[in-house]
Amino acid sequence: EVQLVESGGGLVQPGGSLRLSCAASGFTFNNDWMTWVRQAPGKGLEWVASIKQDGSEKLYVDSVKGRFTISRDNPKNSLYLQMNSLRVEDTAVYYCARATAVAAWGNWGQGTLVTVSS
Amino acid sequence: QSALTQPRSVSGSPGQSVTISCTGTSSDVGAYNYVSWYQQHPGKAPKLMIYDVSKRPSGVPDRFSGSKSGNTASLTISGLQAEDEADYYCCSYAATYTDVFGTGTKVTVL
Repeated sequence: EVQLVESGGGLVQPGGSLRLSCAASGFTFNNDWMTWVRQAPGKGLEWVASIKQDGSEKLYVDSVKGRFTISRDNPKNSLYLQMNSLRVEDTAVYYCARATAVAAWGNWGQGTLVTVSS
Repeated sequence: QSALTQPRSVSGSPGQSVTISCTGTSSDVGAYNYVSWYQQHPGKAPKLMIYDVSKRPSGVPDRFSGSKSGNTASLTISGLQAEDEADYYCCSYAATYTDVFGTGTKVTVL
């Protein structure tokens, strides 16, 4: 059974940093693109970043470029999102997801809440 | 990277069919056959319902179907059931090598 478990969310002040983790199991992690998608309270889904199987390609939504870094550790079956210079508008539930086709995220974690507030 | 446009809400009675539209541009929906659809119940993670415009993952009922014409993709739910009441989001690959989601549609079963 595929499992994705996010951790690392919490309350942080504007300008602060946070590192999210996603532990993967039940599939061959280094075979698939992985992504982070977020959802602000009461709002829709927003694609944030994706990373290729070997980490050689990293893609970001414009609003997080230069502030967020996606990475992966294939031997540890783990996906990460380093978030710096956090803004109030980054407040959201952050989901990690696994690609099962192009622009098709077939498996999702339960999400971790990031709250940016003073 | 503007969000794809979906109607805010659609509704139907049990057994009826509803269709949700997802309008993009010639740089995303119109350019690629990489449109997916997600169902999200309150407080839950999204679930993939359709990918590659019209393909269903294993386990998704065949009353869910997808199509595309030009810059607009559509999700049709036939034989609407109470458990189909949820939020639905489309997603498309875009020419900027990114993904873009739709604004989301709330489906209400009357």
